[in-house]
Amino acid sequence: GESVGLHLPTLSVQEGDNSIINCAYSNSASDYFIWYKQESGKGPQFIIDIRSNMDKRQGQRVTVLLNKTVKHLSLQIAATQPGDSAVYFCAEGIRRLTFGEGTQLTVNP
Amino acid sequence: NAGVMQNPRHLVRRRGQEARLRCSPMKGHSHVYWYRQLPEEGLKFMVYLQKENIIDESGMPKERFSAEFPKEGPSILRIQQVVRGDSAAYFCASTRDRDQPQHFGDGTRLSIL
Repeated sequence: GESVGLHLPTLSVQEGDNSIINCAYSNSASDYFIWYKQESGKGPQFIIDIRSNMDKRQGQRVTVLLNKTVKHLSLQIAATQPGDSAVYFCAEGIRRLTFGEGTQLTVNP
Repeated sequence: NAGVMQNPRHLVRRRGQEARLRCSPMKGHSHVYWYRQLPEEGLKFMVYLQKENIIDESGMPKERFSAEFPKEGPSILRIQQVVRGDSAAYFCASTRDRDQPQHFGDGTRLSIL
């Protein structure tokens, strides 16, 4: 079956550094991907999305890269701030989202 | 401009009781999605509804679980005869149209004693 997985369960960075969170997926037919941020006690918050006809998309301080050849996507956060500390999930699909297990990002001051 | 509203935020039930979780989508959104999240895991899809219709219930357990989204009022996820394994956070998301990013509420944390 299809699955979406994260390479690392935790990531610790210094404030001001850039963060890179990785995600692998197994379904080569996947054509839509989303990154969500989830803070403790809250629901997932949409960060950025990308369709399979693109390999890069930029938002405010965030960039998503998609490599369809190796079925890998990454989320880059520039100048990471303490408020970025959260669990980050990649998800695949449109109506029925398949979520990865999440990466806990900790930003040290 | 309120987001997706879920209530209650926390719900405690004893084994064998019924749990009713409510979700009011964002204004103008007619598509609702329910997910379940176990501790330290990703969300798992349960059901997708559009006003008065269940579109995809492939993630719903075959027994005890049901969902509805009536013409008026919130979407309801109903769990009958709850068991300890039903303890989880249940999240609802909504979209205006079918193929748009889903926006989530802050969930209902269900605890079964």
